[in-house]
Amino acid sequence: TQLLEQSPQFLSIQEGENLTVYCNSSSVFSSLQWYRQEPGEGPVLLVTVVTGGEVKKLKRLTFQFGDARKDSSLHITAAQPGDTGLYLCAGRGYQLIWGAGTKLIIKP
Amino acid sequence: DAGVIQSPRHEVTEMGQEVTLRCKPISGHDYLFWYRQTMMRGLELLIYFNNNVPIDDSGMPEDRFSAKMPNASFSTLKIQPSEPRDSAVYFCASSLGGSPAVNEQYFGPGTRLTVT
Repeated sequence: TQLLEQSPQFLSIQEGENLTVYCNSSSVFSSLQWYRQEPGEGPVLLVTVVTGGEVKKLKRLTFQFGDARKDSSLHITAAQPGDTGLYLCAGRGYQLIWGAGTKLIIKP
Repeated sequence: DAGVIQSPRHEVTEMGQEVTLRCKPISGHDYLFWYRQTMMRGLELLIYFNNNVPIDDSGMPEDRFSAKMPNASFSTLKIQPSEPRDSAVYFCASSLGGSPAVNEQYFGPGTRLTVT
């Protein structure tokens, strides 16, 4: 069974700080997606990474896919209250496997 | 362009009652997914359709759950009879073409179901 573990489960930091959240598995994925979910809404896709070692940037967010395509990280620089939400990773195996998410709170 | 539409947004019902959740996918999308989200289990895929045909229903918890897609613009998820452990937020999502594991899924706002 393919599993995706996200860490930390919960993170609360002050505005302006940097942070990194992780998505790990013992399985190899063909690609991996990161979604952000705000309260009362459905998840929204942020990025898809496909190649081992790939790095993608979305403004202050930097996504990296591990060389072995088993893990990924999301780094946020100078976090803002608008970054608050649940961050979900989803890996493509024989089907799409979802992590449990990291709940991120950025305090003003 | 309207996104995925779900109704109702909130549903409160008593144990044993039938519950029907509705979804209208984005026009032109050929994949439709039903998910359940809880604090304990996170986001779980229940079933997905391709061109109105159910492809994988292995995530449907038990026979009390059923899903239909009579046409390209409408799908239902039915729970009969409902139980308190079915309380969760149910999401519908749709995507266009290709592998459902690669292409972006567009989620609806969800239906928050509470079974008392």
